[in-house]
Amino acid sequence: EAGVAQSPRYKIIEKRQSVAFWCNPISGHATLYWYQQILGQGPKLLIQFQNNGVVDDSQLPKDRFSAERLKGVDSTLKIQPAKLEDSAVYLCASRELRTSGGYYSYNEQFFGPGTRLTVL
Amino acid sequence: GQNIDQPTEMTATEGAIVQINCTYQTSGFNGLFWYQQHAGEAPTFLSYNVLDGLEEKGRFSSFLSRSKGYSYLLLKELQMKDSASYLCAVYSNTGKLIFGQGTTLQVKP
Repeated sequence: EAGVAQSPRYKIIEKRQSVAFWCNPISGHATLYWYQQILGQGPKLLIQFQNNGVVDDSQLPKDRFSAERLKGVDSTLKIQPAKLEDSAVYLCASRELRTSGGYYSYNEQFFGPGTRLTVL
Repeated sequence: GQNIDQPTEMTATEGAIVQINCTYQTSGFNGLFWYQQHAGEAPTFLSYNVLDGLEEKGRFSSFLSRSKGYSYLLLKELQMKDSASYLCAVYSNTGKLIFGQGTTLQVKP
């Protein structure tokens, strides 16, 4: 089974420039997540999609970050304009939507390799 | 508020046993995950606890006490390849996975 794919793996830009990241989740996984992981910290959720709808974007800096998942499969995350503090690894994860007895189960998320962004 | 605490760094010797603790305070609780993350790589799933007690999986075990808001990951027969960051993460009642800062484990010969 193919894992979560992300591109590019590395990106270096100057502040105030724009950048976009792409993610293709595991086939059949309805839930997709974008995380930001700053060096030395755990991943922080930016946005969660269920199919092509947004479930949670409460921690997404909406003045500069945007994300979409138009067809409910792959997704893009954009930063425009970038700031120095956006330097981080951007992780995409997906999860299969399982139900048990009518309730959603909290099964594990599978992570992609991440995109390491450096803003100069 | 929501808070997950883990030690920042730990060091252990090859062949030994190490216990990595995690305490949490979150809005609701729907299970606790442990992930392993090697430098420059994605986190990979290790274990999931939703009920109190110990879950054993080979050299790795994970324990949960919901009443104490406490979990630990136990690694036995340490190998050099176990040098990595270990992330504790809790599913809150909003379905959001909240991560701790991670514990960097260094295994020495």
